[in-house]
Amino acid sequence: DSGVTQTPKHLITATGQRVTLRCSPRSGDLSVYWYQQSLDQGLQFLIQYYNGEERAKGNILERFSAQQFPDLHSELNLSSLELGDSALYFCASSSRPSGAGDTQYFGPGTRLTVL
Amino acid sequence: GENVEQHPSTLSVQEGDSAVIKCTYSDSASNYFPWYKQELGKGPQLIIDIRSNVGEKKDQRIAVTLNKTAKHFSLHITETQPEDSAVYFCASSGNTGKLIFGQGTTLQVKP
Repeated sequence: DSGVTQTPKHLITATGQRVTLRCSPRSGDLSVYWYQQSLDQGLQFLIQYYNGEERAKGNILERFSAQQFPDLHSELNLSSLELGDSALYFCASSSRPSGAGDTQYFGPGTRLTVL
Repeated sequence: GENVEQHPSTLSVQEGDSAVIKCTYSDSASNYFPWYKQELGKGPQLIIDIRSNVGEKKDQRIAVTLNKTAKHFSLHITETQPEDSAVYFCASSGNTGKLIFGQGTTLQVKP
């Protein structure tokens, strides 16, 4: 158990809908990262937050957004869902602001299925 | 752009044999190289990592080597056991902390 929690574990929805994925980092960690894992793209970095502020952005679609709240939990919002958004979404946390060279601990993931 | 190539994509060994997985990275600014193990239905779990000021690191049956000149790093697992069967990912990161992952290696250890 990494100490990172994610809910829900599974999510099934239809195209065009909007969903919210939730992540709670390990106790004491201030950085949260979101990754997408799909069969064709592998594990890809989406976005990082540190103590409520966006720190780094990867290949995140404009339809996707995230935020980190004062209690440090983070939410990833996915809107106007398409079939290709079906994937595993992982949250990871670390203690440092830049994250450089810092161990990232991954949560169990949310499996999103878009029908 | 930033890229990590990982080989082989699948690896099958007999229990007790060694397994080696190799990765090559493209970004010269990369200075942190973790390896993750992912079991079915679970998130990636860190098994070992190495930083650019170190050439080799060992933890029991697992070792990682880094050649910064060639931009190569490798994972070595000795005395493999059936419970080592999983998907292994290498990754690299530079100053931002963003992890760039390899495509993964599915390791099968046959009893």
